[in-house]
Amino acid sequence: RKEVEQDPGPFNVPEGATVAFNCTYSNSASQSFFWYRQDCRKEPKLLMSVYSSGNEDGRFTAQLNRASQYISLLIRDSKLSDSATYLCVVNDNDSGYSTLTFGKGTMLLVSP
Amino acid sequence: GAVVSQHPSWVICKSGTSVKIECRSLDFQATTMFWYRQFPKQSLMLMATSNEGSKATYEQGVEKDKFLINHASLTLSTLTVTSAHPEDSSFYICSARDFQNRAITGELFFGEGSRLTVL
Repeated sequence: RKEVEQDPGPFNVPEGATVAFNCTYSNSASQSFFWYRQDCRKEPKLLMSVYSSGNEDGRFTAQLNRASQYISLLIRDSKLSDSATYLCVVNDNDSGYSTLTFGKGTMLLVSP
Repeated sequence: GAVVSQHPSWVICKSGTSVKIECRSLDFQATTMFWYRQFPKQSLMLMATSNEGSKATYEQGVEKDKFLINHASLTLSTLTVTSAHPEDSSFYICSARDFQNRAITGELFFGEGSRLTVL
């Protein structure tokens, strides 16, 4: 059974703060990784992919550590609009079939 | 961009009735769609993989006779919750991948979700 573990939070931070989420995965052969954002009572939406070399998109930085089997998401200068649940997603290819496993999500609450 | 549309967004029904949820890919062809269920404060759990023109593949523990899936065209999959009971109340979300046009192979596009409440 593939596992994707996240700290459920909630993380309560003030505006402007920097916050980091971690996610661990159990399958060392997992091939690709993503962070999705889910607002309350809405569908998840892709925030960013996570590349081996690490990648940055504005205030968001994602990193992958294959040796330790974890990925991270760093949010700088938090905005009120960043309040959401962040889902760690791991993609595996088993015998040609691609499957996605979702973590339970980490809730972020940014306050004024 | 790729859009997946789901209908209805909200549905309230009496126990014992059946409810049909539609999932459409609006600007791409989806040979495969996925149906998820999400309970409050829980992660998305894959229920089944819907394959166009063939039977759906159900995850362990999901009753195929209770959750009927039909994928009759490249742009439409339906999930029917038969004889719904209060424990079936949940957020049901469909998704699809646009393999032809999207470079990010793992990206899923989700429908807006359908919140089912069974009284």
